[in-house]
Amino acid sequence: QEQVAESGGGVVQPGRSLRLSCAASGFTFSGYAMHWVRQAPGKGLEWVAEISHDGHNSHYADSVKGRFTISRDNPKDAVYLQMNSVRREDTAVYYCARDAGEQGFFQLWGQGTLVAVSS
Amino acid sequence: DIQMTQSPSTLSASVGDRVTITCRASQSIRSWLAWYQQKPGKAPKLLIYRASTLESGVPRRISGSGSGTEFTLTISSLQPDDFATYYCQQYETSPWTFGQGTKVE
Repeated sequence: QEQVAESGGGVVQPGRSLRLSCAASGFTFSGYAMHWVRQAPGKGLEWVAEISHDGHNSHYADSVKGRFTISRDNPKDAVYLQMNSVRREDTAVYYCARDAGEQGFFQLWGQGTLVAVSS
Repeated sequence: DIQMTQSPSTLSASVGDRVTITCRASQSIRSWLAWYQQKPGKAPKLLIYRASTLESGVPRRISGSGSGTEFTLTISSLQPDDFATYYCQQYETSPWTFGQGTKVE
């Protein structure tokens, strides 16, 4: 069964760092681009970052550019989101999502992990 | 960035009703549009991609149409499982952007 599962969320103080992980299973991980999408409490969906299937290319929403870094480890079937200099407005459920290939839409979603930025 | 605008924001309907949600893009996105369904406390689920292609396992009462800047999601006969929030998303140009959502209640 194809699935992705996030971990690493929690409460973090403003200005600190947090690393989210996403473990994939049931499909050929190295064949797909991967994304992080977030949803602030009671709000809509916001795309955060994307990494290509081979890890050579990545891009980011302006709201996180320079602070967040997406990476992947294909032998471990995992993708990560390193969150630095977090702000209160980064508070959200963070979803890991698999692309349909390298197309830019989200075919498979994890259950999400909550990041709360609070002092 | 391409702005996506959905209407209405909230839609009140009954089981058996035909329901239509509209999504407009701030510039042409050809047919690079996806629709998702999200229920409270759950992850979004892909329903439609390329404006009108039904994802595997999605019931055929759900359909999508449109191209360019105007798109619609239609549920031909609303079922109890369809009460949820629906989002459109463009993938013509990064950053990938979503509409604000339409809650079907």
